[in-house]
Amino acid sequence: QLQLQESGPGLVKPSETLSLSCTVSGDSISSSIYYWGWIRQPPGKGLEWIGSIYYSGSTYYNPSLKSRVTISLDTSKNQLSLKVSSVTAADTAVYYCARPVTEPYSWFDPWGQGTLVTVSS
Amino acid sequence: EIVMTQFPATLSVSPGERATLSCRASQSVTSNLAWYQQKPGQAPRLLIYGASTRATGIPARFSGSGSGTEFTLTISSLQSEDFAVYFCQQYNNWPTFGQGTKVEIK
Repeated sequence: QLQLQESGPGLVKPSETLSLSCTVSGDSISSSIYYWGWIRQPPGKGLEWIGSIYYSGSTYYNPSLKSRVTISLDTSKNQLSLKVSSVTAADTAVYYCARPVTEPYSWFDPWGQGTLVTVSS
Repeated sequence: EIVMTQFPATLSVSPGERATLSCRASQSVTSNLAWYQQKPGQAPRLLIYGASTRATGIPARFSGSGSGTEFTLTISSLQSEDFAVYFCQQYNNWPTFGQGTKVEIK
């Protein structure tokens, strides 16, 4: 059974870089034809797709975040990672990793449990 | 960006009653529409994809319909575990989500 688990600092200072990891269990991120993705949800608000990455390393980003976001794969750890630079309070959110089922633009299943990141000095 | 609008924002329903949730896209997304259920403190759970296909393990009381710009999620007979927030998501272009409909106990 495919499972995803996010991890990383819960508090980041404004203007710094937010870095998160997502550990995948139940499958290899490099041996399959899967895509992998990140989605975030500010407290009490809706969901925002951040971006997706193909097992080959091709990336697809939300145009509104593209200039600040990097998604990558670490095949040695079976992890995907997310970096968001120059963060502000608006980046405070629960960050989820999730699998786009068929293509980079797809529905998502399964999801990790999410990790809350607060941007504050 | 394709904007997804859900209505109503809150739906008050009694257990056993039918709930009808709506989702509208700012432009056609054909049938590239998914629905999710989210309970407090939990990740979203996939219910429906392709506008009308139930995901694995989803009870038959959940059904989706629509195409183009107008979509509906129907819960035929609300159970206690169905009280939650429901989101729609289009994937015809880069994914965008609606703001959610909260289904609460009447």
